[in-house]
Formats: sequence, structure tokens, C-alpha cells
Amino acid sequence: SQWGEENLQALSIQEGEDVTMNCSYKTYTTVVHWYRQDSGRGPALIILIRSNEREKRSGRLRATLDTSSQSSSLSITAAQCEDTAVYFCATDPQQGTGSKLSFGKGAKLTVSP
Amino acid sequence: EAAVTQSPRNKVAVTGGKVTLSCNQTNNHNNMYWYRQDTGHGLRLIHYSYGAGSTEKGDIPDGYKASRPSQENFSLILELATPSQTSVYFCASGDAQCSINERLFFGHGTKLSVL
Repeated sequence: SQWGEENLQALSIQEGEDVTMNCSYKTYTTVVHWYRQDSGRGPALIILIRSNEREKRSGRLRATLDTSSQSSSLSITAAQCEDTAVYFCATDPQQGTGSKLSFGKGAKLTVSP
Repeated sequence: EAAVTQSPRNKVAVTGGKVTLSCNQTNNHNNMYWYRQDTGHGLRLIHYSYGAGSTEKGDIPDGYKASRPSQENFSLILELATPSQTSVYFCASGDAQCSINERLFFGHGTKLSVL
């Protein structure tokens, strides 16, 4: 498997709190994707961080990538109820045409009022 | 916004029957993918395609065939469906030739139950 044990998570927080989800992987990757999946929908890309980037921000989202420890994190600042979803990280050890992404098992985040 | 449409949204099939899942994208993306999603496994790649006429095996291709007759359409075919193929299937299209830049756009999924 491409993934470490800590990829299966269930997190429950209150609105306004900050949360960080972690992702560890076993083999080299050129990029880490973070997707969110709402109930009954397909995954949607929310942030992409490349191997030459240590941090990427998008609104209240912040992704980090540490290639030396082969880990990535996704942080959400001041979480809101609409952030409730399953969050996946995905890696791509291939270099070439097309992605053959390997997805982690995901972290189910529940944000309560 | 990318548009990937899957049909049907739900399907009940009998063991040994043939099932075809269809996917259409209107984004003119070259790359298309079929994944299945099961509890405890996340998303796993079944087949993918680089363009019309091309199909490639992913990580779990056994029991599945794929067909890419045109840029827009990519089908997943289960010739002899088995209960172990009960799952949610997602189609995606990709917007770049180089994997480091590619973003995937997913459809809403097809829930398949094989009885």
C-alpha cells in the first residue's frame, strides 16, 4: 500500500475551530492533491501542492508538504458547518502523461454549530 | 466549470449479467479515469485513457473492460458481474498532459449493486 496507518480518521469539531488533517505516504510523489467529497457527490479538488512547494494556501485552507518525511497536511481555519465532508489526499508517483493518482482512505470531518 | 456526467446514477444487476457504466465529459480533456470507492479502501483506479481509442489498465482491472470511442465518452464494462463488484464507481477527466499539473474532475458516481 502507498499509505501509512494514520490515513483513516474521523474528526468532530465545533464551528470556528481550526483543524488539521494529516496524510503520510510511502513512495515518492511529484504532487499531493487534496480533495473533498460531499455526501452523494464525487470528489472535488480543493488544493494541489507540488514537490517543490512546502506550503500552499487557498482561502481558509492551508496545505503543507514535507517530502523528507513523506507527509502532507491540510488545515482549515475557522471551520464552518459547510466544511463537513470527507477529505482525501492523493499522490502521484508517476512522471509523465496523465495522473494515476493513489488515494488515501480519507478523513471524515464533521463541523457542528 | 468542468462537467463530467455519469449514467446511470444507480444500477441493480444480477450475478453473471453484463453491466455498462457510461461517462461523458464536455471539457475536451484527453485523459479519463474510472475509479471505484469502497469503505475501507478509498478510491482505486480501474482503467484510464489518454484519448479516443486508448485504454490502459489501472491498479485493479480484473473483471473490467473499458472503451473510449470518442474524446467525450468513456465506458466501463463488466462482462460477467459478480457481487464483489458492488461499489460506487466514479469517472473523472483530467485537464493536463503532464501529471504534475493535472487536476481531476469527477462525476457524481454510479452506485452499482450486484445481487
